[in-house]
Amino acid sequence: GPKVLQIPSHQIIDMGQMVTLNCDPVSNHLYFYWYKQILGQQMEFLVNFYNGKVMEKSKLFKDQFSVERPDGSYFTLKIQPTALEDSAVYFCASSSSGTVYAEQFFGPGTRLTVL
Amino acid sequence: GDSVTQMQGQVTLSEDDFLFINCTYSTTWYPTLFWYVQYPGEGPQLLLKVTTANNKGISRGFEATYDKGTTSFHLQKASVQESDSAVYYCVLGDNTNTGKLTFGDGTVLTVKP
Repeated sequence: GPKVLQIPSHQIIDMGQMVTLNCDPVSNHLYFYWYKQILGQQMEFLVNFYNGKVMEKSKLFKDQFSVERPDGSYFTLKIQPTALEDSAVYFCASSSSGTVYAEQFFGPGTRLTVL
Repeated sequence: GDSVTQMQGQVTLSEDDFLFINCTYSTTWYPTLFWYVQYPGEGPQLLLKVTTANNKGISRGFEATYDKGTTSFHLQKASVQESDSAVYYCVLGDNTNTGKLTFGDGTVLTVKP
């Protein structure tokens, strides 16, 4: 089936540094999402993105977070600067439409550790 | 806001056992509900969805229905296999069409041969 790729699979950085998480969505999909899962906790919605814009974001999507997809390349999540509480697994997803009925395809996640 | 609660954190069965896992949901909208499954090293993938109360979603031998009266949503399978071992998430979709999904905590299913 369709695959979403995430690069890197693991990232370890020092607090205060910048990090960029990369997502290669399903090729014809137009809607993109990031979710965050802290170890042992629920997966939580961060943001969705369509047509170059953030459509909806949760309270977890702090000012230090930003997303973009320049010229159809990777869909990225940038955190600048990072904080200890940003340590989590970040999952990217994509879908062909933004309706509630559309299946979201998830990548395998990037495990981010902030020291 | 929307919320999902899964009571069973871990379920251990033997092959050919019957599986039943349940969750409850809370939303102000008419719910669209999903079960997503996550295998080790992978992201969650859609198992099935149910858009109408008392209608049955069916996929790969799994069935699910939700009850609006009790706001419960269950997943069942008549005979589990070792390959069904995974984490199962009860998920509520956002009917305002933001695409936002609200996940439950997940149920870790272990099926012993």
